[in-house]
Amino acid sequence: GAGVSQSPSNKVTEKGKDVELRCDPISGHTALYWYRQSLGQGLEFLIYFQGNSAPDKSGLPSDRFSAERTGGSVSTLTIQRTQQEDSAVYLCASSLRGLAGELFFGEGSRLTVL
Amino acid sequence: AQKVTQAQTEISVVEKEDVTLDCVYETRDTTYYLFWYKQPPSGELVFLIRRNSFDEQNEISGRYSWNFQKSTSSFNFTITASQVVDSAVYFCALSNGGSQGNLIFGKGTKLSVKP
Repeated sequence: GAGVSQSPSNKVTEKGKDVELRCDPISGHTALYWYRQSLGQGLEFLIYFQGNSAPDKSGLPSDRFSAERTGGSVSTLTIQRTQQEDSAVYLCASSLRGLAGELFFGEGSRLTVL
Repeated sequence: AQKVTQAQTEISVVEKEDVTLDCVYETRDTTYYLFWYKQPPSGELVFLIRRNSFDEQNEISGRYSWNFQKSTSSFNFTITASQVVDSAVYFCALSNGGSQGNLIFGKGTKLSVKP
């Protein structure tokens, strides 16, 4: 597809389980961003990739959160031992030129932790 | 610290009214970027505009216009002759760390346009 693709669109899991969220950016986009959107916190930055490296991981809320990107393309955000406060919509965005260009967002993955 | 403030949490207007969404930012960067995004009920964030700190020219795109004023650290967004389809949450955002950084978003303004 032409846009940023995220999967799954919806995920319901039990507290303590691990989850993986996938982001497929627009082909050729070198910059990739993960954000989290929840009612109380608005849009929070999680991590940013330039190619396969992550110059800025400062937004990851705890060591239960990790992300990787392979082949300069697909990225996976992993949350281990999920907690109820992890419930949110996880948004991925990609850009051709970092913030000097337009960030295109995916539709998000809605995570619900019971 | 970098910060974006959208003081208006919710705005409700009647169709055809003009409406301005306020955005005030704080940054120590000399080069920075400002953005506006629209998030309709469907959920996907839609890019509206990007402006760099060296370009203070106001911009108009159809019914949308943006007023960037460095002197007041503001980047306000005006919709002229609003329509029901403009109903959405609008986010203002600021770059953190120049072009290789991340975006800091305001809390958003929910705009409801009633027929």
